[in-house]
Amino acid sequence: RKEVEQDPGPFNVPEGATVAFNCTYSNSASQSFFWYRQDCRKEPKLLMSVYSSGNEDGRFTAQLNRASQYISLLIRDSKLSDSATYLCVVNGYAGKSTFGDGTTLTVKP
Amino acid sequence: DTEVTQTPKHLVMGMTNKKSLKCEQHMGHRAMYWYKQKAKKPPELMFVYSYEKLSINESVPSRFSPECPNSSLLNLHLHALQPEDSALYLCASSPASDFQETQYFGPGTRLLVL
Repeated sequence: RKEVEQDPGPFNVPEGATVAFNCTYSNSASQSFFWYRQDCRKEPKLLMSVYSSGNEDGRFTAQLNRASQYISLLIRDSKLSDSATYLCVVNGYAGKSTFGDGTTLTVKP
Repeated sequence: DTEVTQTPKHLVMGMTNKKSLKCEQHMGHRAMYWYKQKAKKPPELMFVYSYEKLSINESVPSRFSPECPNSSLLNLHLHALQPEDSALYLCASSPASDFQETQYFGPGTRLLVL
């Protein structure tokens, strides 16, 4: 079993749609959690940190469920510019970051 | 300045060559990382430096040799690479020594080994 598993995708949605991604992790001792966005042939860029209390940034909402060991990302009112690969990242101890395989989102007009 | 820079952007090398990748940050971050990313795959952690000391080596072959000359610089020395080592090499840095904060990635070096 992989340490971090994401919805396989791809997700193809129309503009204005709401889309949700989930990510599960196997190590209950994991310390911190993030969603990154990666555009084609570019480096990953932080989208949001993820907290148990949930956090929201405009159209994006992230949630952590430690009991069930999953994190989620909700994107409302999708824009064409949201098309990218979304990576969940789980940090353990001593700097060991594990990335999920990524979920590709394509938002169509 | 929230920027991590990497040079060169592209590198083509033969299997007998020796080359180095460079990474620099001026954000005062004390943790720095090397990742390898193959096409359509997520980044894979190679090395982690904390306060200029190597803290993690993810069983990377010895043909990859990291070096951290000071808190702002991270190098990756390459020698006798194989074609399967062709990939995007990403450097990242993070502020805290407990590694729980965001990592900032550089644009990467695209390496092709012939």
